Amino acid sequence: DSGVTQTPKHLITATGQRVTLRCSPRSGDLSVYWYQQSLDQGLQFLIQYYNGEERAKGNILERFSAQQFPDLHSELNLSSLELGDSALYFCASSAGGGRSNSPLHFGNGTRLTVT
Amino acid sequence: GESVGLHLPTLSVQEGDNSIINCAYSNSASDYFIWYKQESGKGPQFIIDIRSNMDKRQGQRVTVLLNKTVKHLSLQIAATQPGDSAVYFCAEGYAGTASKLTFGTGTRLQVTL
Repeated sequence: DSGVTQTPKHLITATGQRVTLRCSPRSGDLSVYWYQQSLDQGLQFLIQYYNGEERAKGNILERFSAQQFPDLHSELNLSSLELGDSALYFCASSAGGGRSNSPLHFGNGTRLTVT
Repeated sequence: GESVGLHLPTLSVQEGDNSIINCAYSNSASDYFIWYKQESGKGPQFIIDIRSNMDKRQGQRVTVLLNKTVKHLSLQIAATQPGDSAVYFCAEGYAGTASKLTFGTGTRLQVTL
């Protein structure tokens, strides 16, 4: 068990809808990262937060947004969903701010299916 | 369980044998490398990492070898067990910028009895 908790485990929704994915990092970790894993593109970095502040952005669509709350949990909001957004969404956490080699520890993901 | 890729290269190894999983990385400026293991239905699990100032690092039953000349990384698993069956990913990045990790497409390891 990595200590990173993600909810829900599965989510099925229709195109055009909006969903929120939730992540609780490992105890003591200040950084939270969001990744998307699809069959044809592997693991793609979306965004990182460190202690409540956005630290780095990857290939995150404008329809997607995230935030990290004072208790360090994070939410990833996906809106105007399209069929192509169907994927596994992983949250990872690390002790550092990304400016170190603390390895990322991943949760078990949320499987999003857009119909 | 969830599939992480339908067309992954697959390595079949007999239980008890040693496994070697290879990875070619693309950026000669990368100086930090990690191996992850992903079992069906789970997130990637950290196995071992190595910085570019080393060419070998050993963990418990695993060894990572780094050849910067040819931009090649390998993961050796000693005495492979059924529980080692999973998809293995290498990732490359820059020291101090974990957010910029680039993951490879993965190799599926199948352990046969």
